[in-house]
Amino acid sequence: EDQVTQSPEALRLQEGESSSLNCSYTVSGLRGLFWYRQDPGKGPEFLFTLYSAGEEKEKERLKATLTKKESFLHITAPKPEDSATYLCAAGKAAGNKLTFGGGTRVLVKP
Amino acid sequence: GAVVSQHPSRVICKSGTSVKIECRSLDFQATTMFWYRQFPKQSLMLMATSNEGSKATYEQGVEKDKFLINHASLTLSTLTVTSAHPEDSSFYICSARGSGPGETQYFGPGTRLLVL
Repeated sequence: EDQVTQSPEALRLQEGESSSLNCSYTVSGLRGLFWYRQDPGKGPEFLFTLYSAGEEKEKERLKATLTKKESFLHITAPKPEDSATYLCAAGKAAGNKLTFGGGTRVLVKP
Repeated sequence: GAVVSQHPSRVICKSGTSVKIECRSLDFQATTMFWYRQFPKQSLMLMATSNEGSKATYEQGVEKDKFLINHASLTLSTLTVTSAHPEDSSFYICSARGSGPGETQYFGPGTRLLVL
């Protein structure tokens, strides 16, 4: 059975304190690994898609990396506006569905 | 990025009534649209997948007669919650993706449904 697990469930950071979020997956026929950001009461906002092991993508203070078993989302020198829930999802080559992890709630304190 | 809208953003209804939620892809043609449900502090739960012009595929445990999905065009899908009950209160989110194997799902802003 396909599974996506995110850790930690919650993360409290001081402004400027860099950290990493983990997304472990067991998905046969992975099409892509997706990262989204979700603010309370809103839909997920697309951040990155990673397609193959070794791939890295960056956007402002965020950097996503992918291995054959997991993905990391690194937050460098976070600011309070980076506070959100970060979701990762695995998409299979067959079909269009995404399997979501439980998310990591990040709180960045000034 | 691609923009997906949902309407209404918030709805309150009485038990037993039906509620329709619209999902539109504003700047791209969505060959596939998805409907999710999200409970507080939980992740997204896929309810159904719909392709334009064909019947929706529902996930296990989702009642197709309760949650009617219509994907009438490449830019519009609707979810109708029929005979809504308080347990149907939730945050409903749609997503849309274009054609092609590498296409990303883009999400709408969500609809908060409260059934009294």
